[in-house]
Amino acid sequence: EPEVTQTPSHQVTQMGQEVILRCVPISNHLYFYWYRQILGQKVEFLVSFYNNEISEKSEIFDDQFSVERPDGSNFTLKIRSTKLEDSAMYFCASSEALLGGPLLYNEQFFGPGTRLTVL
Amino acid sequence: RKEVEQDPGPFNVPEGATVAFNCTYSNSASQSFFWYRQDCRKEPKLLMSVYSSGNEDGRFTAQLNRASQYISLLIRDSKLSDSATYLCVVKTGGFKTIFGAGTRLFVKA
Repeated sequence: EPEVTQTPSHQVTQMGQEVILRCVPISNHLYFYWYRQILGQKVEFLVSFYNNEISEKSEIFDDQFSVERPDGSNFTLKIRSTKLEDSAMYFCASSEALLGGPLLYNEQFFGPGTRLTVL
Repeated sequence: RKEVEQDPGPFNVPEGATVAFNCTYSNSASQSFFWYRQDCRKEPKLLMSVYSSGNEDGRFTAQLNRASQYISLLIRDSKLSDSATYLCVVKTGGFKTIFGAGTRLFVKA
């Protein structure tokens, strides 16, 4: 069964350092997402990406964050200068385009997440 | 008011019990609704979409009341394997997906 993969599973970094979290979405999917979940809190939407551009972003997704699809398979989230409060689990998700179907009900498939710890 | 609000839980139920989760959303323009399940330290997984007419999948039944901005999930004949956090999820028409804080369910033998 196809699945979303993420690397690394755990990333430890020093405050102020740049990190890149990597995701490989399901191969025929066209919509990509990043979410974060601070320990003990709810899952929060960060950004969605379609057709090589950001389609929507939340207020959390400020100038410190960027996303990229550098090739046909990877989807990355970069945090330029990490802060302590960036410590969280980061989930990547992807969904397909349903031909003739409503985008609203596209199932999002989540990767296993990258746990980011900022010291 | 929170965008998506769920029963705080946790719910502790014996095997075989019926349990109901409630969720309310604040944006009347919300267009699609889902229940996800999240096991401890794992990724969310879609349990079921919630349609206007209500829908059922085996032991799981989801209902939507647009007038009251209310979504529910009913689990019948609870199994030990149903123990998880249940997340109410709402989309408002774009790509942004809003998760509730989740309701933790413990099913005990």
